[in-house]
Amino acid sequence: DAMVIQNPRYQVTQFGKPVTLSCSQTLNHNVMYWYQQKSSQAPKLLFHYYDKDFNNEADTPDNFQSRRPNTSFCFLDIRSPGLGDAAMYLCATSRDIKGSDTQYFGPGTRLTVL
Amino acid sequence: TQLLEQSPQFLSIQEGENLTVYCNSSSVFSSLQWYRQEPGEGPVLLVTVVTGGEVKKLKRLTFQFGDARKDSSLHITAAQPGDTGLYLCAGAPNSGYSTLTFGKGTMLLVSP
Repeated sequence: DAMVIQNPRYQVTQFGKPVTLSCSQTLNHNVMYWYQQKSSQAPKLLFHYYDKDFNNEADTPDNFQSRRPNTSFCFLDIRSPGLGDAAMYLCATSRDIKGSDTQYFGPGTRLTVL
Repeated sequence: TQLLEQSPQFLSIQEGENLTVYCNSSSVFSSLQWYRQEPGEGPVLLVTVVTGGEVKKLKRLTFQFGDARKDSSLHITAAQPGDTGLYLCAGAPNSGYSTLTFGKGTMLLVSP
């Protein structure tokens, strides 16, 4: 029944050790997004894919990369996590990217950096 | 960059009380969405408003989009503990290809 699935729900990594977060969707949506949400802050868009087209936000650090091997899956790679990268990472999908399109969010992955 | 300011940031009330939360901007949005996020979960869409002055009702929740499409409000009547969560507004700057700008949210705690 789940539509946007994120694995793992909780991820602990060490400072500087690469980590990959996973997102999958059963909605067959064209667009997939990755957001970073820190405590008491708004979700911050890192990047999105419209089909295979990758769109990086201007202020997303180079440390963050993403891959979308097919429609269903999207990955967030953090090459060298710092303490400041500890956050909730939310994956979302939408059918299209018009302003009124609903975004469907996964439950998030909470990343801890030791 | 278009910003959305939400107020209050935190609200703690008793069951049965009414409340209103606000989402304001100096910019015009083509549409505005309200999401609720429960602890440890992702946001879930409550409503989308697209027309200036539009009012939408979802059971005890009433959403209004300002006439100038720069602001919105969410009113909850007779709040229940199940309403507890983070309420986020998110706006789209235009009706074409655009991503959403999220506000910081209002954390609502409803105590029995």
